[in-house]
Amino acid sequence: NAGVTQTPKFRVLKTGQSMTLLCAQDMNHEYMYWYRQDPGMGLRLIHYSVGEGTTAKGEVPDGYNVSRLKKQNFLLGLESAAPSQTSVYFCASSYSAGGEAFFGQGTRLTVV
Amino acid sequence: GNSVTQMEGPVTLSEEAFLTINCTYTATGYPSLFWYVQYPGEGLQLLLKATKADDKGSNKGFEATYRKETTSFHLEKGSVQVSDSAVYFCALSDRDSSASKIIFGSGTRLSIRP
Repeated sequence: NAGVTQTPKFRVLKTGQSMTLLCAQDMNHEYMYWYRQDPGMGLRLIHYSVGEGTTAKGEVPDGYNVSRLKKQNFLLGLESAAPSQTSVYFCASSYSAGGEAFFGQGTRLTVV
Repeated sequence: GNSVTQMEGPVTLSEEAFLTINCTYTATGYPSLFWYVQYPGEGLQLLLKATKADDKGSNKGFEATYRKETTSFHLEKGSVQVSDSAVYFCALSDRDSSASKIIFGSGTRLSIRP
């Protein structure tokens, strides 16, 4: 049982480059989330989805886009990376509203 | 909107000491409350949860009680171990399925000295 899998685990980008982070879950969860973790700031919600085909903005959505074409996958895109997007990104999923979240191992992204 | 405020760290204790990490929340309705733990280089893991007022969540010797009257969910452990060294996050999840999201506090780094 893989749970929540994020790819890649590490990435270095140059300013202005684009990339997509993939999150896959095999638990048939409806809800999926993308967070970024920065020192001293905890986890901040970027975007989330309450079901296949739906997405919504979180606390810090600017500079990111997401898609949820399949229930098991939630993609996070950076169209033009900036150094301020250097962070550790976590994907999570949960079965229902109010339910516990299951996390991936994280993606460490550095933008130079 | 919903928010979580937790005790700032870092917190350093000796082994077998008593631990309290404070957490208070602001929310409309009746959220579920959680404590997550993050070990170095890993993602977050659920430590314990409570879904309604006066519920007590417990796991691995940690406990937290959902206090609606004080909007708090403080984490406690009677005797900490070196292996408890980690970052602890308090979180809430609203149950309104039209806008369900999980909100985290800023995290508290705990270090236990042998």
